[in-house]
Amino acid sequence: DAGITQSPRHKVTETGTPVTLRCHQTENHRYMYWYRQDPGHGLRLIHYSYGVKDTDKGEVSDGYSVSRSKTEDFLLTLESATSSQTSVYFCAIYSTGELFFGEGSRLTVL
Amino acid sequence: DQQVKQNSPSLSVQEGRISILNCDYTNSMFDYFLWYKKYPAEGPTFLISISSIKDKNEDGRFTVFLNKSAKHLSLHIVPSQPGDSAVYFCAAGVYNFNKFYFGSGTKLNVKP
Repeated sequence: DAGITQSPRHKVTETGTPVTLRCHQTENHRYMYWYRQDPGHGLRLIHYSYGVKDTDKGEVSDGYSVSRSKTEDFLLTLESATSSQTSVYFCAIYSTGELFFGEGSRLTVL
Repeated sequence: DQQVKQNSPSLSVQEGRISILNCDYTNSMFDYFLWYKKYPAEGPTFLISISSIKDKNEDGRFTVFLNKSAKHLSLHIVPSQPGDSAVYFCAAGVYNFNKFYFGSGTKLNVKP
């Protein structure tokens, strides 16, 4: 257990509304990631962070923004949710040669 | 375009036999590779990794082979067990940057 907590675990929202997913870690890891999992696409990197206020885009960053104002929290924001952003979102941290994942946040955009 | 590809969406094997899962990558800069296992409604869990300085790495029933010239890696599970039934993802990245890309996954079904 790498001390990763994602919230909320489930959320249903409407198109056009803003949504923020939170990833919290308790072990001071430098690298944090947001992935989304979709059938046929596997896990796709949205954004990642290599330190406080240091972030970089992944493969599918359009429509998403992130913030990391402190080491333990990495926030993923959908400014205006669309149905194509319905997915399961996983946060991960990097430590000693591997990624550790959270349990996922299932987001449904109606 | 995906940089890491798993071209077999599913694989079915008999208990006790070998399972071979394949993965291809396109970016020649990738030098670190990982395999993950995922059960429904859970986060992926780490299985095994390999650095590009090696061509094989073993951990119990799991062995990963890397063919750098072909940009191909494979995961061998011997012997396969019903509890191995899950979705398997390969991932690749440049070790110093710690930015990892995943394939689309292969769903393994091990029949008793």
